[in-house]
Amino acid sequence: GDSVTQMEGPVTLSEEAFLTINCTYTATGYPSLFWYVQYPGEGLQLLLKATKADDKGSNKGFEATYRKETTSFHLEKGSVQVSDSAVYFCALRVGQGAQKLVFGQGTRLTINP
Amino acid sequence: GAVVSQHPSWVICKSGTSVKIECRSLDFQATTMFWYRQFPKQSLMLMATSNEGSKATYEQGVEKDKFLINHASLTLSTLTVTSAHPEDSSFYICSARAPGTSLNEQFFGPGTRLTVL
Repeated sequence: GDSVTQMEGPVTLSEEAFLTINCTYTATGYPSLFWYVQYPGEGLQLLLKATKADDKGSNKGFEATYRKETTSFHLEKGSVQVSDSAVYFCALRVGQGAQKLVFGQGTRLTINP
Repeated sequence: GAVVSQHPSWVICKSGTSVKIECRSLDFQATTMFWYRQFPKQSLMLMATSNEGSKATYEQGVEKDKFLINHASLTLSTLTVTSAHPEDSSFYICSARAPGTSLNEQFFGPGTRLTVL
């Protein structure tokens, strides 16, 4: 079945460090890929998405490129801030018009000043 | 825009009682709402999908008689955990979507933590 695997956390970095959170997927079709972020006490928010191979999603300095050959969608940011501390979820959705999201287990990120 | 709320944010109940959790889309009409369950350090698992005015579609392995879902209006869905037991203790998250509009993606509530004693 369809699944998403994220790097295990927690991840702790210093401010202005480079961030990579790995995400790989298994899907029977051609999925759309997403990164969601959950700040403390809030609901998941869509951070970025990519709907086809080689697409790059970007938002708030974060980027992720849809790599079909490696079935990956790694999240990167060049210089993290304390305010980026949150839990990050990678997810996929298979099929045009489909509604079901399949999530990875989440990666907790803590940025120290 | 696209704010989803849940109530209560946390609840503690005795084994054998029923608990109702509300999910509301505050500033848009959600034709579709979703209910997820999340165990500690695990991913969100979809329990069911509900479309306004029709019966919910449950995922394989989810007991529809135990987790009653009602989506009676375009802004409200409820999840009732009937005869709750300690193994039902979990974090329940809802999301809402308005297909065919600019709000075509899922917007998530903050979650409800249920503890069954």
